[in-house]
Amino acid sequence: SAVISQKPSRDICQRGTSLTIQCQVDSQVTMMFWYRQQPGQSLTLIATANQGSEATYESGFVIDKFPISRPNLTFSTLTVSNMSPEDSSIYLCSVDVGYTFGSGTRLTVV
Amino acid sequence: AQKVTQAQTEISVVEKEDVTLDCVYETRDTTYYLFWYKQPPSGELVFLIRRNSFDEQNEISGRYSWNFQKSTSSFNFTITASPVVDSAVYFCALSEHRGSYDKVIFGPGTSLSVIP
Repeated sequence: SAVISQKPSRDICQRGTSLTIQCQVDSQVTMMFWYRQQPGQSLTLIATANQGSEATYESGFVIDKFPISRPNLTFSTLTVSNMSPEDSSIYLCSVDVGYTFGSGTRLTVV
Repeated sequence: AQKVTQAQTEISVVEKEDVTLDCVYETRDTTYYLFWYKQPPSGELVFLIRRNSFDEQNEISGRYSWNFQKSTSSFNFTITASPVVDSAVYFCALSEHRGSYDKVIFGPGTSLSVIP
């Protein structure tokens, strides 16, 4: 199965700023998935990213807040824009439909 | 709509006891996958198993076993003689078919505390 390198592993950010999270996969994959895990909660899918097309966002998530790039078959970024304390969560990328997850980015917004 | 229910929010067991984590799902897909994951306090998500909806055989892997019963839409997970290292949050998940791809829907999780 694929291996994902996710960066940063954690960050503390000021409200109103943006953070870009990167996921690098060691093999080419068609779909990449971005999840959010709010404190004490389960994982919720933010969007699905297919190379060469716009990401598909789940209900409750919008591109202006969570822009995603997918420039090639091994890489994707998720940006959390104009952050507020409510955005404090763990963000994870995933490939292979449930098999492989990145190690997560623990974001704290102050 | 697809849904995963894990009715047990928190469970505590004494070390070396067996424990079963329940998972009930709802789906309209005829073909789907079921998953279990472990999330220790460190936060990483550890994949444990994926089961195809056509394969109802129970699975055993060391101290872990899974019981898939399609008739009751359940996919329960048993840890035999759980040591303290099994303390974690466990998530059951279900694939949902979306045209050209599948996405994974997670249950709310069960927090397992193993008491030494």
